[in-house]
Amino acid sequence: DGGITQSPKYLFRKEGQNVTLSCEQNLNHDAMYWYRQDPGQGLRLIYYSQIVNDFQKGDIAEGYSVSREKKESFPLTVTSAQKNPTAFYLCASSIAGRSAYGYTFGSGTRLTVV
Amino acid sequence: KQEVTQIPAALSVPEGENLVLNCSFTDSAIYNLQWFRQDPGKGLTSLLLIQSSQREQTSGRLNASLDKSSGRSTLYIAASQPGDSATYLCAVRLGNNNDMRFGAGTRLTVKP
Repeated sequence: DGGITQSPKYLFRKEGQNVTLSCEQNLNHDAMYWYRQDPGQGLRLIYYSQIVNDFQKGDIAEGYSVSREKKESFPLTVTSAQKNPTAFYLCASSIAGRSAYGYTFGSGTRLTVV
Repeated sequence: KQEVTQIPAALSVPEGENLVLNCSFTDSAIYNLQWFRQDPGKGLTSLLLIQSSQREQTSGRLNASLDKSSGRSTLYIAASQPGDSATYLCAVRLGNNNDMRFGAGTRLTVKP
């Protein structure tokens, strides 16, 4: 079955540590996105990528970094510069240029600072 | 900047009731609008997508409508069931190269 796989499901980060969240899709989608979700708030865009080797900052990119070396993969690194990283992180993908298609989401990674 | 608002933030209804969830957005020049369901601690599951040229979409007991001119969409759930309990999110997309903007969601509880 096609879909988006996020790993790990739970992740614990120590102060000053960088961690990387994995997002892999086998839907052959062009675009991929990272969102952050905090309790009681809507999803906020961190980074997105329309094609391989290209990505753009979203609304809250500070303290995060991404890469898009393969169409299928869009990993997110939460750096030590992100002061409040505890949140639920969601990865999504979509087909470019087709309004009949929306976003497909992964199951999320819950990151906690310990 | 597109703002998306969902009212109410929470809703509790008895089983079997028909209900409507509301979504409003500030920029009417949307590309499409998508309704999602989210269970606690889970990712988002797509329910319905309405393209900008469409007025409504239906899937089973769900019906979503779109009125671009007034900046509103509604999600109608018929004959609600306890299994419908979840958070429902609305999201709008301004263009092909734009991301989606999300509302904060409506948390629905259907009581047996």
